[in-house]
Amino acid sequence: DTEVTQTPKHLVMGMTNKKSLKCEQHMGHRAMYWYKQKAKKPPELMFVYSYEKLSINESVPSRFSPECPNSSLLNLHLHALQPEDSALYLCASSQGDRETQYFGPGTRLLVL
Amino acid sequence: GENVEQHPSTLSVQEGDSAVIKCTYSDSASNYFPWYKQELGKRPQLIIDIRSNVGEKKDQRIAVTLNKTAKHFSLHITETQPEDSAVYFCAASRNTGFQKLVFGTGTRLLVSP
Repeated sequence: DTEVTQTPKHLVMGMTNKKSLKCEQHMGHRAMYWYKQKAKKPPELMFVYSYEKLSINESVPSRFSPECPNSSLLNLHLHALQPEDSALYLCASSQGDRETQYFGPGTRLLVL
Repeated sequence: GENVEQHPSTLSVQEGDSAVIKCTYSDSASNYFPWYKQELGKRPQLIIDIRSNVGEKKDQRIAVTLNKTAKHFSLHITETQPEDSAVYFCAASRNTGFQKLVFGTGTRLLVSP
């Protein structure tokens, strides 16, 4: 089973809101990732949790904050976002930190 | 850091023809090269991958070739079908503590019946 689930599927939020995106996998994978994908562009890595250790893409602004409550869950907390943050947010997981990544269906975010 | 270039940006073929998409990478230490297919509004799905210790890998109608010396790799799809229509992304990764995939810019493949 290569299933990664994400909720919600769609999210509309104002620039003053606080919201969270959720990702879950039950494949026993030990690495989980957040990507941002703008229309007609490739996914861009934001964060990696590998064996419960966080690695950050230093270009990601602090209004995005990841959280890994356990090895099968990954959250992305959103606060004071800008309209340019509107995008498809993809979660992925891999068995180890050097293995194939499998993507979830994504959350389509619109910031007004 | 790694930079991946992908060509062409769009590719139109007739059903039954072959399609070839090419990627070049800059980091000679990259050692893992997956290809993802993304249909409109859907998630990227892995279709084939290759590691730097092999030169070619095939899975039914799909094959990938890797030339480490020239730092390029290619996706070959034979006997194309309309359901092959999608955006295809190549990626390269160098394992330095964790796998950071760097994606190419994507190729929009259109297969006409």
